[in-house]
Amino acid sequence: NAGVTQTPKFRVLKTGQSMTLLCAQDMNHEYMYWYRQDPGMGLRLIHYSVGEGTTAKGEVPDGYNVSRLKKQNFLLGLESAAPSQTSVYFCASSESQGRGQFFGPGTRLTVL
Amino acid sequence: GQSLEQPSEVTAVEGAIVQINCTYQTSGFYGLSWYQQHDGGAPTFLSYNALDGLEETGRFSSFLSRSDSYGYLLLQELQMKDSASYFCAVRTNAGKSTFGDGTTLTVKP
Repeated sequence: NAGVTQTPKFRVLKTGQSMTLLCAQDMNHEYMYWYRQDPGMGLRLIHYSVGEGTTAKGEVPDGYNVSRLKKQNFLLGLESAAPSQTSVYFCASSESQGRGQFFGPGTRLTVL
Repeated sequence: GQSLEQPSEVTAVEGAIVQINCTYQTSGFYGLSWYQQHDGGAPTFLSYNALDGLEETGRFSSFLSRSDSYGYLLLQELQMKDSASYFCAVRTNAGKSTFGDGTTLTVKP
């Protein structure tokens, strides 16, 4: 039981490049989330999904897209990376009526 | 929208008790969660309150007052390993959560 896993762990991009971050969970959770965390800050919700095939915008969705084609996977895409997207990205999942979210280890992204 | 306020820093000594407060403004309130995050690590879930009152989980307890839009996390018998950031998060009935900016707890010997 791996819980929530994220790929890759680290990535350096140049401005304008695109990339996809992969999140996978093996707990059969309905809900999945993507957050970003900047130094000394809390987590800000980018996009989330309440079930396979559904997605919704969070607080800071601009510049990102997501897809939830399979229940266990939630992909985060950066269309054209900008230095302002340098951050640590966390994926999380929870049961629909769950009390808390389970987080992956994070992806450290630097955009030059 | 949602907003949460919690102290930015708290310092306490080993063996002591510390309380971290959280006030929130939100629509569609569903519950209040608490998370711990060590430097360089991922947040880990600590506790959750959907109803008024106290929830106890070992050395950690969490309290909620829905009428006051207020909650707190109580840490007892502090240990050095409790030094970390603690976040409160409001869950709404839309299924998403909004996190506070976190409280950095420093435990001194």
